[in-house]
Amino acid sequence: KAGVTQTPRYLIKTRGQQVTLSCSPISGHRSVSWYQQTPGQGLQFLFEYFSETQRNKGNFPGRFSGRQFSNSRSEMNVSTLELGDSALYLCASTLSGQGNGETQYFGPGTRLLVL
Amino acid sequence: AQSVSQHNHHVILSEAASLELGCNYSYGGTVNLFWYVQYPGQHLQLLLKYFSGDPLVKGIKGFEAEFIKSKFSFNLRKPSVQWSDTAEYFCAVNARGDYKLSFGAGTTVTVRA
Repeated sequence: KAGVTQTPRYLIKTRGQQVTLSCSPISGHRSVSWYQQTPGQGLQFLFEYFSETQRNKGNFPGRFSGRQFSNSRSEMNVSTLELGDSALYLCASTLSGQGNGETQYFGPGTRLLVL
Repeated sequence: AQSVSQHNHHVILSEAASLELGCNYSYGGTVNLFWYVQYPGQHLQLLLKYFSGDPLVKGIKGFEAEFIKSKFSFNLRKPSVQWSDTAEYFCAVNARGDYKLSFGAGTTVTVRA
């Protein structure tokens, strides 16, 4: 079974631009979570989607948004990019996201550099 | 909200040495506990997890971890490390019934041949 895939793998943008990142979960998985990984803040939860609905959002500004499609694929968008948005953005999928010991499977991430 | 604390930022070991990485969490309710590993250039992979039953859990590649509820701890151990264990290790927790993972800051483990 194919793992979680993320595209693109690397991205360079300039301040003020916007960016869209894509995540395809493992086949059959319906929950997709997004995390930001930086050297200073570590891994931080951004948001989670299940059946096209955002169920929870982490402590990030409104410039960070996402969506999920009917095939469970998910996108996240960052508008008005700032230098501090440079990070590795990770996507993880689980079967149902019910939090009963389910494993979250992570993708390779998209490394975003904002200049 | 949960928080996770990993005791060591960087650990340097020689091959065949034993490894123990500390992890403590703060949360009053029932939790699921995880150790993930990130090898250089690779994505996060699950090493092992605990959600119920025997508090001593065994994972892949000879790793094990013990959940001590009274100490809010979930320490990772390996009796004899190999050079290929060089990686960054993350402890993570979520509340039972929740999906949001809270991660520790990570411990970089360097194994010298």
